[in-house]
Amino acid sequence: KNQVEQSPQSLIILEGKNCTLQCNYTVSPFSNLRWYKQDTGRGPVSLTIMTFSENTKSNGRYTATLDADTKQSSLHITASQLSDSASYICVVTPSGGYQKVTFGTGTKLQVIP
Amino acid sequence: DAGVIQSPRHEVTEMGQEVTLRCKPISGHDYLFWYRQTMMRGLELLIYFNNNVPIDDSGMPEDRFSAKMPNASFSTLKIQPSEPRDSAVYFCASSFAGQTYEQYFGPGTRLTVT
Repeated sequence: KNQVEQSPQSLIILEGKNCTLQCNYTVSPFSNLRWYKQDTGRGPVSLTIMTFSENTKSNGRYTATLDADTKQSSLHITASQLSDSASYICVVTPSGGYQKVTFGTGTKLQVIP
Repeated sequence: DAGVIQSPRHEVTEMGQEVTLRCKPISGHDYLFWYRQTMMRGLELLIYFNNNVPIDDSGMPEDRFSAKMPNASFSTLKIQPSEPRDSAVYFCASSFAGQTYEQYFGPGTRLTVT
């Protein structure tokens, strides 16, 4: 069964600090891995998309890495801001299309002053 | 572009009633997705369309759920009859295949069935 597991479930950090969120998956073969940010009460917004051949992708202060051998991805947030408080969801799409696209349950990040 | 538009934003209904959720995708997008999000199960893909044609509805929980896309700019998700366990936030998303599966989500419809 395809699975995507994220850790930690929740995280509290001080404003200005860095943090790293983890995503482990069993989907294979896979087409792409996406990280989404979801603010409370809003729809998810795409941060990064990586295909199986990519190792890293950046979007401003967000940097995602992918190790296809170990089936692990991480999302690193640099110099966190209060506006980074949100849930971060890892999503893996298998090869062949959107069938059985698998979502992680998310990491809830709270940035405090 | 206004982004993906969903209506209503909030819906409260009684068990047994019919509920219709609406979605207008981003103009030019050829994929449309319906998702459901709950605290217990997270985000789940219910069904998706390509060029208005349903491609995979294996995520639709049961026959009470149905989705249509009569044209490229409109889709509906209908629940009939509704049950309390259908309470969730329902998201619509659209994408364009040429953008490497980048999906744009709407604001969601929060459904409460009492």
